[in-house]
Amino acid sequence: DIQMTQSPASLSASLGETVTIECLASEDIYSNLAWYQQKPGKSPQLLIYDASSLQDGVPSRFSGSESGTQYSLEINSLQSEDAATYFCQQHHDYPFTFGSGTKLEIK
Amino acid sequence: QVTLKESGPGMLQPSKTLSLTCSFSGFSLSTSGMVVSWIRQPSGKSLEWLAAIDWDGDKYYNPSLKSRLTVSKNTSNTQVFLKITSVDIADTATYYCARAYNSGYADYWGQGVMVTVSS
Repeated sequence: DIQMTQSPASLSASLGETVTIECLASEDIYSNLAWYQQKPGKSPQLLIYDASSLQDGVPSRFSGSESGTQYSLEINSLQSEDAATYFCQQHHDYPFTFGSGTKLEIK
Repeated sequence: QVTLKESGPGMLQPSKTLSLTCSFSGFSLSTSGMVVSWIRQPSGKSLEWLAAIDWDGDKYYNPSLKSRLTVSKNTSNTQVFLKITSVDIADTATYYCARAYNSGYADYWGQGVMVTVSS
C-alpha cells in the first residue's frame, strides 16, 4: 500500500494568515492526490484533485502544489469557516490511502 | 443533483455480518467511468478506504480486509451494498459511500452512517 504521511497533526493560525499542510507519499503517485476538508459531524468535502486542480465552488484561497512526492495544501487569507480537519488522499493506486489528518484551529 | 445516502443497522454484536446500503440519485452506476466506494472513519480518527465497484461491475478491495468484504450493486444501478463478515469492536466507525467519476477522488459523499459493534 502507498503510505501518506501528513503533517502537522494540528495547527493554529489567525484570521487572514496563510497556512500550509503537507503530505509525503511513500512512492510516486504521479500527481494523483486529493485534499478534503471535514467539519465536525460532517462528511469530507473535496477541495483539490490531481494535486492542484480546484474543485468547482471551492474558494480560490485554497491551492495545491507538489514537489516530487511531497504535496502541499495552502490556505490563504484564513477565514473562520476554514476551521476543520484536512485530509490528503492518493488516488493513484488501489487501495486508496489517506493521510492522518490536520486539525486547523482559527485563533 | 447528485446525492448518496448510507443505511445500516446502527448497532450489531461481535462476530455478526454487517450489511450496508448506499442509495444514490443524480447519476447512474452504468455510466462508463463511474465508481462508488466505501470509506470508514472511527471516531476522531482518519479515513480508511474499504472497497469500490465500478460501472463495469469490477470490484476492488482493501487487502487488509479483503477476506471479510463483499461489495455489490443492484441491477438498476441505483444502489451499492457492502457486507463485512465477523465484525468486532474495531469495526465501530462511521461508514461513508462516495462517488468518483473517471478518477479515484471522491467528488460526492453520503452523510455517513454510524455503526457500533458491541455485545
